[in-house]
Amino acid sequence: AQKVTQVQTEISVVEKEDVTLDCVYETRDTTYYLFWYKQPPSGELVFLIRRNSFDEQNEISGRYSWNFQKSTSSFNFTITASQVVDSAVYFCAPRGLKTIFGAGTRLFVKA
Amino acid sequence: NAGVTQTPKFRILKIGQSMTLQCAQDMNHNYMYWYRQDPGMGLKLIYYSVGAGITDKGEVPNGYNVSRSTTEDFPLRLELAAPSQTSVYFCASSYLSGQGAEAFFGQGTRLTVV
Repeated sequence: AQKVTQVQTEISVVEKEDVTLDCVYETRDTTYYLFWYKQPPSGELVFLIRRNSFDEQNEISGRYSWNFQKSTSSFNFTITASQVVDSAVYFCAPRGLKTIFGAGTRLFVKA
Repeated sequence: NAGVTQTPKFRILKIGQSMTLQCAQDMNHNYMYWYRQDPGMGLKLIYYSVGAGITDKGEVPNGYNVSRSTTEDFPLRLELAAPSQTSVYFCASSYLSGQGAEAFFGQGTRLTVV
């Protein structure tokens, strides 16, 4: 059975702080993809990044960076110098035939 | 390019009524999905389809039916609406599954059953 856990339910930071969202994916599969989606207050779902289980290198894209540690099944997402527009719910989603979503982490960035 | 289009955007149903949520994609994607998102919660998979004529149940299929007669369309049917079906419904599609293709989502349908 697969299980995805988003460690934080809510995080509140002040603008310009760095913030890390943690996701743990428990599976017997040896190869898989993990996706992160953002859901801003307007409600749409926006794809952010995909990572595969082969690649444990950090990836950086602008203010976003991702770290995957296969040994602990942890797939973490960091926003550097957070901005108010980053306020949203972030979902970790393992990708398979039946894509499952974590419960989400609600991020509040205060000015 | 329209992507994934859902209609209607909002709907209020009375208990026991039925309705169909429409979903269409113009990206020639094989895979299509229906999710529901209850307030403050994550997304739960209702049904999915890997191609025209093929559908299968997800995590929460009870109370719903789907069909996939064409690649483009994947309607979701509620036969006897219940208050527990009050939710936001998202349709999604992807080119491949399990191979790293991201899902593209519609804007959602907000359904209230009273």
